[in-house]
Amino acid sequence: GQQLNQSPQSMFIQEGEDVSMNCTSSSIFNTWLWYKQDPGEGPVLLIALYKAGELTSNGRLTAQFGITRKDSFLNISASIPSDVGIYFCAGRGNSGGSNYKLTFGKGTLLTVNP
Amino acid sequence: DAGITQSPRYKITETGRQVTLMCHQTWSHSYMFWYRQDLGHGLRLIYYSAAADITDKGEVPDGYVVSRSKTENFPLTLESATRSQTSVYFCASRDVTTGGRDTQYFGPGTRLTVL
Repeated sequence: GQQLNQSPQSMFIQEGEDVSMNCTSSSIFNTWLWYKQDPGEGPVLLIALYKAGELTSNGRLTAQFGITRKDSFLNISASIPSDVGIYFCAGRGNSGGSNYKLTFGKGTLLTVNP
Repeated sequence: DAGITQSPRYKITETGRQVTLMCHQTWSHSYMFWYRQDLGHGLRLIYYSAAADITDKGEVPDGYVVSRSKTENFPLTLESATRSQTSVYFCASRDVTTGGRDTQYFGPGTRLTVL
């Protein structure tokens, strides 16, 4: 089946620093989604990417759909304490009739020291 | 409230008991999903539904039953709860636009403990 490798698993940074995390896949995806999960809450959609090479921003967040369609990255600029949480990538392929299915990364735990 | 809601948010039950987790969405999305989230495993798909009265198994369906008599509701039942079913359960719905935008939105989760 499809595999997603998300890295790093965790990051400890100082407030104000920039952050970068990425996901790589063993197969081609048609969609990349980035979510953030706060403690005790469900994942919240941050950015959705639908075309290879697409670069999309949402405030201080920027995500890109890799040209090979097998990777994506998320950048957070000028981090603030409320950026703390777990960030997940998710990809959707187009294998037969299972294009509804998302494959999830294991998440990146971000800690921001004020 | 608009969006996707789950109830209860927290549940403690005993081994062998039947438990039903509720999920309700106000968007009229066709697809709905149930996931469980566990340390070391991430999010795993239990069951999904493509429309009312259409359901199918996901990655880890054993011990669970679903139904979907109405588009907006997708309950998940643990017929005889086991300790291995202690987890956080998330419901999600899929939004597909005519422009091809295809995303999933998650509920707030139900934290289930089986003693």
